[in-house]
Amino acid sequence: GAVVSQHPSWVICKSGTSVKIECRSLDFQATTMFWYRQFPKQSLMLMATSNEGSKATYEQGVEKDKFLINHASLTLSTLTVTSAHPEDSSFYICSVRGGVEEKLFFGSGTQLSVL
Amino acid sequence: SQQGEEDPQALSIQEGENATMNCSYKTSINNLQWYRQNSGRGLVHLILIRSNEREKHSGRLRVTLDTSKKSSSLLITASRAADTASYFCATALLNTGGFKTIFGAGTRLFVKA
Repeated sequence: GAVVSQHPSWVICKSGTSVKIECRSLDFQATTMFWYRQFPKQSLMLMATSNEGSKATYEQGVEKDKFLINHASLTLSTLTVTSAHPEDSSFYICSVRGGVEEKLFFGSGTQLSVL
Repeated sequence: SQQGEEDPQALSIQEGENATMNCSYKTSINNLQWYRQNSGRGLVHLILIRSNEREKHSGRLRVTLDTSKKSSSLLITASRAADTASYFCATALLNTGGFKTIFGAGTRLFVKA
């Protein structure tokens, strides 16, 4: 299966700053990556589908200017939380779809805490 | 939006007992998948069952699928303390941008040693 590396594992930042999260597919060329958000003790909510070489597809209710996604290569997608606020504090997880069976391989997640 | 509901929301059992988790979904599917998440970590794929399958086994895992009721169950037999985790069912929905995977609410399993 695909190996997905996500960095950083955790980040603490001040309100108003921007935070970039990287998601790398180490052994698989991923034309599509997915970004999820998870609040404590809740399920994963799909934020956006990251498409290599084109614009990301955002889910309803997700602000594209707030959560900037760049998928410049087949192995790297980045999520930038701009002008972070305390309500953006959450666990962000990226994933790659591996092969034709549609199962997902996940990064280890990034815990964002905005003070 | 979430595709499915899971029950129970939380389950606490003794080591050695079986754990059953249920999942319901709303739309037609090609397959249904189960994932496991340890606290504060990413998810790990456990098992995939296709819409034309009714039951599937993998080690101590047994998954059933009832497409007429739009429901699935995950059974973990002879549970171990290391099985303590959250378990999610997921379905892939086809939209204009391709497939996207939607997760159920999850069941938090606690296995007491």
